[in-house]
Amino acid sequence: SAVISQKPSRDICQRGTSLTIQCQVDSQVTMMFWYRQQPGQSLTLIATANQGSEATYESGFVIDKFPISRPNLTFSTLTVSNMSPEDSSIYLCSVSGQGRSEAFFGQGTRLTVV
Amino acid sequence: GESVGLHLPTLSVQEGDNSIINCAYSNSASDYFIWYKQESGKGPQFIIDIRSNMDKRQGQRVTVLLNKTVKHLSLQIAATQPGDSAVYFCAENRGAGGFKTIFGAGTRLFVKA
Repeated sequence: SAVISQKPSRDICQRGTSLTIQCQVDSQVTMMFWYRQQPGQSLTLIATANQGSEATYESGFVIDKFPISRPNLTFSTLTVSNMSPEDSSIYLCSVSGQGRSEAFFGQGTRLTVV
Repeated sequence: GESVGLHLPTLSVQEGDNSIINCAYSNSASDYFIWYKQESGKGPQFIIDIRSNMDKRQGQRVTVLLNKTVKHLSLQIAATQPGDSAVYFCAENRGAGGFKTIFGAGTRLFVKA
């Protein structure tokens, strides 16, 4: 299993500003994933973050809006840039089970943009 | 914390009864189909998975059924308990090595005591 810590757990931000969310894993992993969960919705994959290369973004998500860093095998950040109220969501970091189907998730960052 | 899934389909069952949660999937090429449980204020937690070449798998109090003909997945929970109250998501494992997980719709399960 993997233990994932996210910071901050929640934040209230002004529109037009940016927020960087941190994700720390207790073991080295190849891939880390960032998801968005809008209120009352399922999880939507934003991007896959690989160490040493640029993140791979899913359709509808772009690097300018959601820049991602992956400086080493245990850490990643997701920035939500130029925020608007529509960005109010829970953002979750995840890692795969290294050859298993199971994915492990952080507790999420609840973002409210006002 | 605040609840998620306020607008999701809901299933209400009596404590001790069996629950059946259904899901339709889209990608026939997925390697694994998985069920996750999400409690309020937490990230999803793995419950059980099934490989694409199987049609049934049992765990402790849970059974997953896969019908590839109609692209349907179900989760059966036996003797449902109050602690089972949560939002349940089906998911598919895609991508190279099967690492990328794509989530389907969720169902909010209420267990009445």
